[in-house]
Amino acid sequence: AQTVTQSQPEMSVQEAETVTLSCTYDTSESDYYLFWYKQPPSRQMILVIRQEAYKQQNATENRFSVNFQKAAKSFSLKISDSQLGDAAMYFCAYLTKAAGNKLTFGGGTRVLVKP
Amino acid sequence: GAVVSQHPSWVICKSGTSVKIECRSLDFQATTMFWYRQFPKQSLMLMATSNEGSKATYEQGVEKDKFLINHASLTLSTLTVTSAHPEDSSFYICSASGQRGTQYFGPGTRLLVL
Repeated sequence: AQTVTQSQPEMSVQEAETVTLSCTYDTSESDYYLFWYKQPPSRQMILVIRQEAYKQQNATENRFSVNFQKAAKSFSLKISDSQLGDAAMYFCAYLTKAAGNKLTFGGGTRVLVKP
Repeated sequence: GAVVSQHPSWVICKSGTSVKIECRSLDFQATTMFWYRQFPKQSLMLMATSNEGSKATYEQGVEKDKFLINHASLTLSTLTVTSAHPEDSSFYICSASGQRGTQYFGPGTRLLVL
């Protein structure tokens, strides 16, 4: 069974600084997708970034970028120029068609942004 | 694009009654939708996978007679919590599967059973 691990329950960052969230996963599949979702206090799950496993190039979305290390099964998220609105729970997630496109979530990391 | 709505956003009901939650993909068709439950300070727990025109697939430990799922069209799935009890109080979230399997989430429904 696939598992996703987020080892940092909480991270704190100063506004305008950079923070990196870690995520590791375990799988025997070769074709899969990885995601980072943000859940602010409203509890709406928002897609932050997506990475296809077959792509070597790391995905980037504005201030958000990932470091995808396939051999190490690592998928970290870097938030640059942190803003107050970035404060939220962040969930790393894994998806494979072999499992019916179900998402497997990590336990989440809470990001606090200090003004 | 890829907007998912959920209704109602908040519901309070008496113990023993049934509650229906709707999940709609507004600007895309979704053959597959998912229903999750989230307890405070925890991650999302998948309850069931809803496929248009067929029976839902429930995760282990989820009572299918308690949580009825219907996926009548490519844009609508419903979750009915039957004979609700206080332990069913929770935050329920749906998602719709879009391009390349990416799931887009609804805003969630807070259920409180008295």
